[in-house]
Amino acid sequence: DSGVTQTPKHLITATGQRVTLRCSPRSGDLSVYWYQQSLDQGLQFLIQYYNGEERAKGNILERFSAQQFPDLHSELNLSSLELGDSALYFCASSPSGGGNNEQFFGPGTRLTVL
Amino acid sequence: GQNIDQPTEMTATEGAIVQINCTYQTSGFNGLFWYQQHAGEAPTFLSYNVLDGLEEKGRFSSFLSRSKGYSYLLLKELQMKDSASYLCAPALNYGGSQGNLIFGKGTKLSVKP
Repeated sequence: DSGVTQTPKHLITATGQRVTLRCSPRSGDLSVYWYQQSLDQGLQFLIQYYNGEERAKGNILERFSAQQFPDLHSELNLSSLELGDSALYFCASSPSGGGNNEQFFGPGTRLTVL
Repeated sequence: GQNIDQPTEMTATEGAIVQINCTYQTSGFNGLFWYQQHAGEAPTFLSYNVLDGLEEKGRFSSFLSRSKGYSYLLLKELQMKDSASYLCAPALNYGGSQGNLIFGKGTKLSVKP
């Protein structure tokens, strides 16, 4: 158990819908990262937040957005869902945003878009 | 741009030694991580190298050559539970993007009895 929690564990929805994925980092960690993992793409970095502010953006679509709240939990919002958005979404946390910080991954949310 | 290359699949025998290679090209570099990921589960940390050389941790060792953009993960005394994907992940360091990991597609290791 990494100490990072993600809800829900599974999510099944239809195309065109909007969903929200939630992540609580390890106690004391200030940085949260979101990743998408699909079968053919591997683990893709989406976005990083540090202490409530966006720190870096990766391959995140405009239909996706995220935020980190004052209590440091984070939410990833996915809208106008497409079949291709079906994937495992991981959240990870680290103590700071530094490059030598190990990232601790949550168990993931499996999103299925029908 | 960022590019990470590692073999897609490898097979080895229980009790043997296996080396998983990774080459990378990144804009800014702040060390390299190796993660293990069992199917459908979260990646878990194995090792971190920031300086050239070998880091040993039990049955697992990791090597880094910054000048060559090359790393490898060495697994000794393989066990069946080592069957998993192994992800090579350089950490970026440019602008405000410190600490972001760029993951390779991973090497799926199958350990046979």
